[in-house]
Amino acid sequence: NAGVTQTPKFQVLKTGQSMTLQCAQDMNHEYMSWYRQDPGMGLRLIHYSVGAGITDQGEVPNGYNVSRSTTEDFPLRLLSAAPSQTSVYFCASSYRGTGPFGYTFGSGTRLTVV
Amino acid sequence: GDSVTQMEGPVTLSEEAFLTINCTYTATGYPSLFWYVQYPGEGLQLLLKATKADDKGSNKGFEATYRKETTSFHLEKGSVQVSDSAVYFCALSDNAGGGADGLTFGKGTHLIIQP
Repeated sequence: NAGVTQTPKFQVLKTGQSMTLQCAQDMNHEYMSWYRQDPGMGLRLIHYSVGAGITDQGEVPNGYNVSRSTTEDFPLRLLSAAPSQTSVYFCASSYRGTGPFGYTFGSGTRLTVV
Repeated sequence: GDSVTQMEGPVTLSEEAFLTINCTYTATGYPSLFWYVQYPGEGLQLLLKATKADDKGSNKGFEATYRKETTSFHLEKGSVQVSDSAVYFCALSDNAGGGADGLTFGKGTHLIIQP
């Protein structure tokens, strides 16, 4: 059981380049979300999804796009990278239900924009 | 909106010392509360959780009790080990949405245990 898989683990981009961070889960979880982790800021929610075809914005969505065409995959797109997007990105997934089970996190993607 | 406040670090303790990391929250409804741990170079792992008032979550010797009256969820451990060195995050999810809209995190507390 792989859990939540994120690729790549490391990436360096030049300002203005675009890229997609991949996230896949094999637990049939309905809920998925993306966070960024910055020093002294904790983790902040970028976008989330409650199921295939349904996405919504979190606390810091600017500069990022998402889509969810399948239950398993939830890619995060940077359309025009900026140095302010240098961060560690985490994808997470969870079951749907009234009693939250806690989210399972991937191992992260460390992105540097130069 | 919802928010989580936890004590700033780093917190440095000697092995076998007693640990408390404070966490308080602000939420409009009745959230579920979590502690996550992040070891160096890794992702976050769920340490423990509590879904309603007076619940006690526990795991690996760590405990936290959901206190609605003080809006707190402090993390405790009676005797810490060097292997407990990590960053600890307090977090909440909105039960009204079934946790669909993700987690709200505190800023994290870096714990350093010295032998």
